[in-house]
Amino acid sequence: GEDVEQSLFLSVREGDSSVINCTYTDSSSTYLYWYKQEPGAGLQLLTYIFSNMDMKQDQRLTVLLNKKDKHLSLRIADTQTGDSAIYFCAGVEPNSGYALNFGKGTSLLVTP
Amino acid sequence: NAGVTQTPKFRILKIGQSMTLQCAQDMNHNYMYWYRQDPGMGLKLIYYSVGAGITDKGEVPNGYNVSRSTTEDFPLRLELAAPSQTSVYFCASSLPTGTSGRTGETGELFFGEGSRLTVL
Repeated sequence: GEDVEQSLFLSVREGDSSVINCTYTDSSSTYLYWYKQEPGAGLQLLTYIFSNMDMKQDQRLTVLLNKKDKHLSLRIADTQTGDSAIYFCAGVEPNSGYALNFGKGTSLLVTP
Repeated sequence: NAGVTQTPKFRILKIGQSMTLQCAQDMNHNYMYWYRQDPGMGLKLIYYSVGAGITDKGEVPNGYNVSRSTTEDFPLRLELAAPSQTSVYFCASSLPTGTSGRTGETGELFFGEGSRLTVL
């Protein structure tokens, strides 16, 4: 199945940009996803990118996809304290009914 | 719409007890999933279902059972609870992945708020 790797922690100052990186092993996923989890809550879809795209921009969010290196990144511009959360990248697990395979999550801490 | 609803939100069990975590969705999604989340370990797939009457094992199914008698409901049963089953459990649902990029065909999973289970 898909292996998805992420760094576990990132700390940034408010107003700076945050970049969260992810590598994956399976190239068959039609979409790749970024989910956000706030404390005590479920996961919510933040953004996604279609596998034939290199970049997707959505307001403060920029997703970059390098298919050759199997690398996905999420950039958050002008990071705010409300962005503090755990961020998961995910791809489709090919043999489990379109289940998503998640990385272990990156804890983003935004300090004033 | 409520989306995906899980009950209970919190539960403490004694070793050897059994219980059922309830999950219901009102989005008419065919696909449903149960994950468990342990600190620093991400989410692990327990069971999934691609439609009423059809269930299959995920990565970590031991100690759990599921059923899918209706499109809306996907309960997860824990038999003989063990401390290793202390975790946060998430139910999710989705539409099948499409390639057109139309809303609802991205394969996005919609999650419930989670059920926090402690086994003592």
